[in-house]
Amino acid sequence: NAGVMQNPRHLVRRRGQEARLRCSPMKGHSHVYWYRQLPEEGLKFMVYLQKENIIDESGMPKERFSAEFPKEGPSILRIQQVVRGDSAAYFCASSPNRDRGSQPQHFGDGTRLSIL
Amino acid sequence: GQQLNQSPQSMFIQEGEDVSMNCTSSSIFNTWLWYKQDPGEGPVLLIALYKAGELTSNGRLTAQFGITRKDSFLNISASIPSDVGIYFCAGQLTGNQFYFGTGTSLTVIP
Repeated sequence: NAGVMQNPRHLVRRRGQEARLRCSPMKGHSHVYWYRQLPEEGLKFMVYLQKENIIDESGMPKERFSAEFPKEGPSILRIQQVVRGDSAAYFCASSPNRDRGSQPQHFGDGTRLSIL
Repeated sequence: GQQLNQSPQSMFIQEGEDVSMNCTSSSIFNTWLWYKQDPGEGPVLLIALYKAGELTSNGRLTAQFGITRKDSFLNISASIPSDVGIYFCAGQLTGNQFYFGTGTSLTVIP
């Protein structure tokens, strides 16, 4: 997991605050994915981005959640006006920019978000 | 979203025993992946499968892409204590989105 870097590892916010989660993909990877994981559950897809483009955001809640992957810097998952139900582990994954076949995703160690 | 049924949900086995778990879907997938997740960490890729019928090994782990393309299984031979963790399957339909199973929790008793 050393390649994909997520920070912070743990984040505590009060209801109504904003949470910003960062993800730096593995070197040479230009595809980034965000997932949410509740305790004892699998990973739920949220959004897939390439540099400066959102490719698929079908798993993103319609309100309060947004994601970006700028030309320079990490990908950011932003949650505005957090609520208790946002408490979860958020994982970022990346894959290479290749067109031949599908490329497996490599995950970071996640950000554990706790809402007080 | 797509539903991947992973079974069993949990397993308790003696060290040295073999383990088998599987993943099924109502949809046809192009790629199957198997991951292991340890507590407090992200999933680590174990095996990737790209063709129906493909059988791939990684040490004591063997995985197969079902010929119907709707299922996959993972076998672990001669289990050891460090095999403990949660194993996830993931399937890809089209594009780059993967759907994850609910996981199999493995406990190995020394």
